[in-house]
Amino acid sequence: GQNIDQPTEMTATEGAIVQINCTYQTSGFNGLFWYQQHAGEAPTFLSYNVLDGLEEKGRFSSFLSRSKGYSYLLLKELQMKDSASYLCAVEGSSNTGKLIFGQGTTLQVKP
Amino acid sequence: GAGVSQSPSNKVTEKGKDVELRCDPISGHTALYWYRQSLGQGLEFLIYFQGNSAPDKSGLPSDRFSAERTGGSVSTLTIQRTQQEDSAVYLCASSLYGGNGYTFGSGTRLTVV
Repeated sequence: GQNIDQPTEMTATEGAIVQINCTYQTSGFNGLFWYQQHAGEAPTFLSYNVLDGLEEKGRFSSFLSRSKGYSYLLLKELQMKDSASYLCAVEGSSNTGKLIFGQGTTLQVKP
Repeated sequence: GAGVSQSPSNKVTEKGKDVELRCDPISGHTALYWYRQSLGQGLEFLIYFQGNSAPDKSGLPSDRFSAERTGGSVSTLTIQRTQQEDSAVYLCASSLYGGNGYTFGSGTRLTVV
C-alpha cells in the first residue's frame, strides 16, 4: 500500500531550529513535496526533492534519502508566523502530478 | 485568473441534498485536481483531469461523487445525497506540468447537517 508518516504535532521556540520528519512507502516515486498550510487557508508550496540530498531555500531546507524513504523539513530562525501545518506529499510512479499526502504536522511556535 | 478560484467558500447543506462545488483554475493550466481534507486529516485525492484525456477517478469515495471539467477549464464537483461524513474542506489545485507546480485554491468548506 501507500503510506506517508509524519508526527502529528510539534512545538518549538521562536528563534530556534525545528526538524519535521517524513517517512514514506509508495509504489513508485517521482518526487517529494513539502507544503505549508495556515489554518483556514490553502496549502502553499515550500519545497520539492527528487534527488537525494539537501535543498536549501532561505530559512527552509528539505532533505531526501530515497533509499531510506525518508525526508525532513528544516526550519531555521523560527518566527511566530511559522506556526502552521506542514504537509509532506509524494508523487508516485504515474507521473501525473497526483500527490499522496501525509496527515500533516501542526507546528506551534512559542515566544 | 491570477489564482485558483473556488466557490462557494462555505456551504451548509442538509443531509440528503445534492451540492455542486466549483473550481476555476489558473488560465492555461492543463491539469486540475480535487482533494478532500477532513478535520485533522491529510489531503485525500479525489479526481484528476489532464487536458482532453479521460479523468482519473480512482479517488472518488462512492458513486455519489462525480466531477466534470468543461472546455478544459472550469470544473464542478457534484456530491449527490450528501451524508454527514462528506463534511470536509474540498480543495482544488491546477498545474501546468504535473506535481511540481501546483497552485491550490482556498477550498470550499462543506458542512452536512
